[in-house]
Amino acid sequence: DSGVTQTPKHLITATGQRVTLRCSPRSGDLSVYWYQQSLDQGLQFLIQYYNGEERAKGNILERFSAQQFPDLHSELNLSSLELGDSALYFCASSLGQGGTEAFFGQGTRLTVV
Amino acid sequence: SQQGEEDPQALSIQEGENATMNCSYKTSINNLQWYRQNSGRGLVHLILIRSNEREKHSGRLRVTLDTSKKSSSLLITASRAADTASYFCATEHHSGNTPLVFGKGTRLSVIA
Repeated sequence: DSGVTQTPKHLITATGQRVTLRCSPRSGDLSVYWYQQSLDQGLQFLIQYYNGEERAKGNILERFSAQQFPDLHSELNLSSLELGDSALYFCASSLGQGGTEAFFGQGTRLTVV
Repeated sequence: SQQGEEDPQALSIQEGENATMNCSYKTSINNLQWYRQNSGRGLVHLILIRSNEREKHSGRLRVTLDTSKKSSSLLITASRAADTASYFCATEHHSGNTPLVFGKGTRLSVIA
């Protein structure tokens, strides 16, 4: 158990809909990262938050947004969903802004139909 | 674009044999990390090697880093069926201010 909790584990939704993925980082970790993993694209970095502030942005679509709350949990919002958004979405956390290992949650498997 | 690229994409070996996976990257790094992912599950950190280190061991794992060639290798000795998984290298830029960038992974199958 990594200590990182993601909910829900599975999500099936229709095109055009909006969903929210939730992540609770490991106790004491200030950084939260979101990654998307699809079969043909590997693990793509989406966005990082550190202590409530956006720290780095990767290949995140404009239809996607995220935030980190004062209690350090984070949410990833995906809107106007398309079939191609079907993927595993991982949250990871680390103690600082970098230089150490990251701890991954078990992921949310999103299926858009 | 991906920072790290693993090679080979897939590897199949017999139990007891050694498995070697390679990773190449493009820019200067602060550290390089290896992770394992069992099918459809979260990634698990295996080992971190810093840019000023050349070799590191952890149990049956041996990692080397050659910064002049911008490459790393992961050796798993005396492999077991339970080692069957995907293995990813991830790099952190030398500034230390960017998140980990992952390659597409090597799919290892260990046949009992």
